[in-house]
Amino acid sequence: SQQGEEDPQALSIQEGENATMNCSYKTSINNLQWYRQNSGRGLVHLILIRSNEREKHSGRLRVTLDTSKKSSSLLITASRAADTASYFCATFASGGSYIPTFGRGTSLIVHP
Amino acid sequence: DAEITQSPRHKITETGRQVTLACHQTWNHNNMFWYRQDLGHGLRLIHYSYGVHDTNKGEVSDGYSVSRSNTEDLPLTLESAASSQTSVYFCASSVGLQETQYFGPGTRLLVL
Repeated sequence: SQQGEEDPQALSIQEGENATMNCSYKTSINNLQWYRQNSGRGLVHLILIRSNEREKHSGRLRVTLDTSKKSSSLLITASRAADTASYFCATFASGGSYIPTFGRGTSLIVHP
Repeated sequence: DAEITQSPRHKITETGRQVTLACHQTWNHNNMFWYRQDLGHGLRLIHYSYGVHDTNKGEVSDGYSVSRSNTEDLPLTLESAASSQTSVYFCASSVGLQETQYFGPGTRLLVL
């Protein structure tokens, strides 16, 4: 079963708008990572947030983590057509497992 | 610049044939991973390695094998290709356990 599940599955917005996608998970984690995948390409790491952190920023990206709700959100501000991609969260469970579990992803389309 | 490469990028094979997909990284990372990506399933872990001569089974390892004879390479072998193994395969590496993963460009495999 999937540890991380992204929501929504698909998101369509206009350039300049903000895009928010969410990731929910089931078990305690050490960290959660967000990745982007452009069509036909490999995944690219965006942000890593650890379990003792609540928010991280990187350029136009803002990631929050709520361990009590077992959820994370990725906010892309002032989106651009180049942000069109699929976005995945990956969770690393606490308790000795060192392998990641990826969600099914959110497909984001930004219309120019 | 350090990188991770995969070959071939596209492969068509027949059911029952043995196929080997190559993965080579110049990051000098100890940890390497193989995933498959299918519509509706996201990324699923096939095998992973924490160092030379170390290999471990992932979520969907049946029908696949890996070997790690050096730091740079983790080839993935499909012992007897099946149509269910038609997929896109990604190799990744990381410097530390539960840290950022760096992905290759992927191999698109079609088993007829």
